[in-house]
Amino acid sequence: SQQGEEDPQALSIQEGENATMNCSYKTSINNLQWYRQNSGRGLVHLILIRSNEREKHSGRLRVTLDTSKKSSSLLITASRAADTASYFCATAKSSGTYKYIFGTGTRLKVLA
Amino acid sequence: DAGITQSPRHKVTETGTPVTLRCHQTENHRYMYWYRQDPGHGLRLIHYSYGVKDTDKGEVSDGYSVSRSKTEDFLLTLESATSSQTSVYFCATISPLQGGELFFGEGSRLTVL
Repeated sequence: SQQGEEDPQALSIQEGENATMNCSYKTSINNLQWYRQNSGRGLVHLILIRSNEREKHSGRLRVTLDTSKKSSSLLITASRAADTASYFCATAKSSGTYKYIFGTGTRLKVLA
Repeated sequence: DAGITQSPRHKVTETGTPVTLRCHQTENHRYMYWYRQDPGHGLRLIHYSYGVKDTDKGEVSDGYSVSRSKTEDFLLTLESATSSQTSVYFCATISPLQGGELFFGEGSRLTVL
């Protein structure tokens, strides 16, 4: 079974609103990463948060990590139509194998 | 951008035929990965490599084999393709010393009839 599970599976919001998606995972991790995928394309890295970090920002993105709950959230503020994409979390176990497992993803649709 | 090239980008084949997908990278990254993506399943790891001739299984390795004889090339082989292997296959690389983010190719769409 997959290491990460995102929710919601799909999210539809209006332009300018904030979008929040969550990722839960099963084992102790070294780091957690978020990726974006536009339809039919390869994934693009958004942000990486290490297991000893609790929050990280990058532009309009804010990621939190709660290792006690084995969960992370990705917040996109002031969303734009161009943010429409699928978002995935990926984790690697803390044993240092770099064996990255992805979640099932959240499909975000931002309406103009 | 890790200069990842996947080939072929599209392939249609028949059940029972062998298929090999190639991933080529130009950045000398140590780790390389093969994922498959299917609706409702996200990306699932098939095999990955942590060096030349060093590979390990992922979540869904049955029916797939891999080889890495050079740093820059990682081959995924379906010995006898089945319709359940119809999917989009993504190659990825990583350089842990350079931050640990995965770089992805553009994908190879395989249809097994």
